[in-house]
Amino acid sequence: SQQGEEDPQALSIQEGENATMNCSYKTSINNLQWYRQNSGRGLVHLILIRSNEREKHSGRLRVTLDTSKKSSSLLITASRAADTASYFCATGGGADGLTFGKGTHLIIQP
Amino acid sequence: ETGVTQSPTHLIKTRGQQVTLRCSSQSGHNTVSWYQQALGQGPQFIFQYYREEENGRGNFPPRFSGLQFPNYSSELNVNALELDDSALYLCASSLGGVGYTEAFFGQGTRLTVV
Repeated sequence: SQQGEEDPQALSIQEGENATMNCSYKTSINNLQWYRQNSGRGLVHLILIRSNEREKHSGRLRVTLDTSKKSSSLLITASRAADTASYFCATGGGADGLTFGKGTHLIIQP
Repeated sequence: ETGVTQSPTHLIKTRGQQVTLRCSSQSGHNTVSWYQQALGQGPQFIFQYYREEENGRGNFPPRFSGLQFPNYSSELNVNALELDDSALYLCASSLGGVGYTEAFFGQGTRLTVV
């Protein structure tokens, strides 16, 4: 079963615009991670936010975490064509492995 | 480029056959985990190996088995292949349990069962 659920399932925006995608999860977490996947290839780690953090930045990425609502958001500012990919949130880890949602498919229109 | 390599990149097998997929971990990483990703879905955890011992397993039947070698490379074996085993298989290496630190994924092996 998949704990995290990303929303929306698909998002299409113009280059230069900001893209926001959301993730909801069901159980308590120690941390939450976001990954990017290009065209069914391997996943690339974007950012890890711990349960005691509310916001984290990395370049054009901004991640927020609201543990009371069991939700997280990923904001990509000033989007580029190269940002076209699927984005997954993941929770858990250790002996239970990571639990991924179904992902948000982001398309950046030139 | 994550330093995690998987082989082969693509594979076609017949139902009932057996398959072995290989993963070379990033240097220094002692933990490897394997995931199955069906089309349009997120990756599903198969199992994890830490220092050559399986220390975690997802909801997959025993015909999915693995090995981790002293150099921390790893294999995923699937026996009695079924059509539903068609998927992208990903391995991830990390230092310590995945999820506590960044995991580095390989590019995956696309398995098609016909």
